[in-house]
Amino acid sequence: EAGVAQSPRYKIIEKRQSVAFWCNPISGHATLYWYQQILGQGPKLLIQFQNNGVVDDSQLPKDRFSAERLKGVDSTLKIQPAKLEDSAVYLCASSTGQGAYYGYTFGSGTRLTVV
Amino acid sequence: AQTVTQSQPEMSVQEAETVTLSCTYDTSESDYYLFWYKQPPSRQMILVIRQEAYKQQNATENRFSVNFQKAAKSFSLKISDSQLGDAAMYFCAYRSFNTGNQFYFGTGTSLTVIP
Repeated sequence: EAGVAQSPRYKIIEKRQSVAFWCNPISGHATLYWYQQILGQGPKLLIQFQNNGVVDDSQLPKDRFSAERLKGVDSTLKIQPAKLEDSAVYLCASSTGQGAYYGYTFGSGTRLTVV
Repeated sequence: AQTVTQSQPEMSVQEAETVTLSCTYDTSESDYYLFWYKQPPSRQMILVIRQEAYKQQNATENRFSVNFQKAAKSFSLKISDSQLGDAAMYFCAYRSFNTGNQFYFGTGTSLTVIP
């Protein structure tokens, strides 16, 4: 079974620029998550999708972050404009359902550096 | 919100020896799941072991076992016969049984295995 694919693997941008990350979940996984992992911290949930609908985006800084999941498969996370404090690893994960007993599969993340 | 605390930023162990990583958490819920994830330099979060709070028996997975103390809200990970490949960041995580949507991660423990 193919894993969760993410690209790019690394990205360096200047502050105030925009950036987009892409995630392709495991085939058939209805639930998709984006997490932000700042250096020295554990990952924190940004947004959760169930198929192509948003379930939880309460921790997404909506003034600069946006995410979409068209057709309930691939997802894109965008930051515009980026700030220095957005430097982090952005992890995508997917699961077959929303319940706690459903396992997550994580991708390898995109490391963003804002200079 | 639930909080997860890992008080050991770094740990080291000799190859073939045993090491224990500590984790405490705070919750008012009675039903939940606890996890240990491993994050090697590849950045992908890999599930090591999972414990259901309603189960009194401690979970084991080969060389990995947990000591789950529900009343003390403690969830430690024991790695026996440590191998070089065990070197990584280890994250303790909490997930609600009822809502089950997101993980709450600790800040991680960096484990070094000394040959």
